[in-house]
Amino acid sequence: DGGITQSPKYLFRKEGQNVTLSCEQNLNHDAMYWYRQDPGQGLRLIYYSQIVNDFQKGDIAEGYSVSREKKESFPLTVTSAQKNPTAFYLCASSIQENYGYTFGSGTRLTVV
Amino acid sequence: GDSVTQMEGPVTLSEEAFLTINCTYTATGYPSLFWYVQYPGEGLQLLLKATKADDKGSNKGFEATYRKETTSFHLEKGSVQVSDSAVYFCALSDTPTQGGSEKLVFGKGTKLTVNP
Repeated sequence: DGGITQSPKYLFRKEGQNVTLSCEQNLNHDAMYWYRQDPGQGLRLIYYSQIVNDFQKGDIAEGYSVSREKKESFPLTVTSAQKNPTAFYLCASSIQENYGYTFGSGTRLTVV
Repeated sequence: GDSVTQMEGPVTLSEEAFLTINCTYTATGYPSLFWYVQYPGEGLQLLLKATKADDKGSNKGFEATYRKETTSFHLEKGSVQVSDSAVYFCALSDTPTQGGSEKLVFGKGTKLTVNP
């Protein structure tokens, strides 16, 4: 079955480290997105990509970086510049207007 | 910019009670509207959607009608079950740039707990 796979499910980061969250989809969707979810704040857009080798900043891109070298993959790196990285990170993809998103199951990142 | 406002939770109901979760939006143009559901520790799942005014989306006993005159998309279910306990998000799709993909704008979510 097609879907979006995020890994790992849980991730622990030490202060000053960069970590990379994986997001892979086999839905043949063109667009992919990264959201951050904090309690009581809903979802906030970090980065999105509409085609391979192109991506745009969302509302809270500072301290994050992405790449889109393949249509299937959209990894997110949380850098040491992100001062409060503890959150639940969600990856999503979409194929066309008015279709909505398909979400992965999320990665919970905790700074230790 | 576009925005979505949901009723604040948490909402606690007894099994078989009637559910309404209010959602209103502000948007330019004619957005599509969505309800997503998130179970504990999981990602979001699309529950239902409506793409134009007066459309009714429905799934698993949940319904919502796109009301352009009141800019609303309230979620309803006639008889909730314990398994409906989750967080519900209302969302709209903004008008994409030419050739671009849509971007969804989400409300803050409403936590529903259904007690047996």
